[in-house]
Amino acid sequence: GAVVSQHPSWVICKSGTSVKIECRSLDFQATTMFWYRQFPKQSLMLMATSNEGSKATYEQGVEKDKFLINHASLTLSTLTVTSAHPEDSSFYICSASYFEERPGAEAFFGQGTRLTVV
Amino acid sequence: AQKVTQAQTEISVVEKEDVTLDCVYETRDTTYYLFWYKQPPSGELVFLIRRNSFDEQNEISGRYSWNFQKSTSSFNFTITASQVVDSAVYFCALSRFYNQGGKLIFGQGTELSVKP
Repeated sequence: GAVVSQHPSWVICKSGTSVKIECRSLDFQATTMFWYRQFPKQSLMLMATSNEGSKATYEQGVEKDKFLINHASLTLSTLTVTSAHPEDSSFYICSASYFEERPGAEAFFGQGTRLTVV
Repeated sequence: AQKVTQAQTEISVVEKEDVTLDCVYETRDTTYYLFWYKQPPSGELVFLIRRNSFDEQNEISGRYSWNFQKSTSSFNFTITASQVVDSAVYFCALSRFYNQGGKLIFGQGTELSVKP
C-alpha cells in the first residue's frame, strides 16, 4: 500500500504557542488529504479536507482560525494548531488517497501525532 | 445522512476463540464503500478491507472474514482463532462512491482484547 508519513509523532507544547504537524505522501501524489482528530477512547472525527493549491474545507464546528491547513504541494499538507490550549490536546491523524486514479481507493493514514498542551 | 454504528464498545476473548465485530451503517446512497481499519496501541490506522456496495460476496483473508449483507445494512468482521496480536481497536467506516479521496465516516470503534 501507499505510504503516508506524519511528523512529529508526539509533541508537548506550552499553552498559547503554535504547533505545526506535517503530513507527507511518500510514494504518490495526493491532491486531497484529510485531517482527523481523535480523543481518547473515541472515534475519528473529520476536521477538514486539504486541497492542493486551494483553501481547505472545514467541517462544521471546526475553527478555521485555530486549525490552519496548508497544502502547498502534491505531497505535503500541514496542520498548524494556533494558540494551543489544553483542550486542544488530542491525537491528530492525516490521510491521503490516490482516488483520482482509482475512484473509491482506500485512504492511507499517517502514524498520527499526539499533541499535549500544558 | 450517513452513519456507522459499532454497538460493541469492548470485547474480551481468550486466545484461539473466534470473535465477530458488528457494524451497521446508514446511508441514502445506492452506491458506497465500506471499510475496516485496525488501530493498534501505537495509533496508526491499518487498512484491512474495502467493499463496494455492488459486491455482496463475502471475503476471507487468512483468519479474517467479512460478511456484507445489504438487506440488513451490516458489514461484520470475524476473526477466527484469535491471537494476542489481534488486540486493537477496530473501526468500520463508510464513504460515498466518489469518496473525494478517502473522506470517511467512522463508527465508534470496538476495542478487542485477546488474552493468552
